[in-house]
Amino acid sequence: QSALTQPPSASGSPGQSVTISCTGTSSDVGGYNYVSWYQQHPGKAPKLMIYEVTKRPSGVPDRFSGSKSGNTASLTVSGLQAEDEADYYCTSYAGSNNLVFGGGSKLTVL
Amino acid sequence: QLQLQESGPGLVKPSETLSLTCTVSGGSIRRSDCYWGWVRQPPGKGLEWIGSIYYSGNTYYNPSLKSRVTISVDTSENQFSLKLSSVTAADTAVFYCARVLSWPIMSHFDYWGQGTLVTVSS
Repeated sequence: QSALTQPPSASGSPGQSVTISCTGTSSDVGGYNYVSWYQQHPGKAPKLMIYEVTKRPSGVPDRFSGSKSGNTASLTVSGLQAEDEADYYCTSYAGSNNLVFGGGSKLTVL
Repeated sequence: QLQLQESGPGLVKPSETLSLTCTVSGGSIRRSDCYWGWVRQPPGKGLEWIGSIYYSGNTYYNPSLKSRVTISVDTSENQFSLKLSSVTAADTAVFYCARVLSWPIMSHFDYWGQGTLVTVSS
């Protein structure tokens, strides 16, 4: 199984919206509604932000939203804040009890 | 509040076996609706799923690591463990343990340990 494809970087100014993509295949992202997104600040463990494509865990601001079209999932962060600057990773179920991560995207708040 | 804590040697010699344990507190490892998993992150690089285990002992491994990985569970101690054999410098990473929802489909990691750095060096 190959890693999901994410852009290495994304950026936006405070208050703006930014979208990070996560591209896989019909065997992972496109085949299942089990895409999740994680935020990771330097030196910290990842934090779940979105699961099952669009669902937000309790405590995650509604500025974070997820979607999927075909083999590509997306994470949108609206109303960017300085604290949103972090690395973001997507994950997808890949069938046969396998999970695959994306390579990660560094979000910079300008 | 569920908590996970990794423990084990921070330094392993090349060709030897890396061994880590994850202790779960604040909840039982004998849950029927989740798995328990390991994820690693080499310095400055991305996350990689290593494998997962169900409390009954059923295991699921990343195909790229399957030949070197063993994950086990000790329900009496509320712990699960990772062994990675024949390590090289490329296995140097921060290793995280995490809870994986849900069952039967592994969907997402909702609780994570703080991570532990394991360096492979002679």
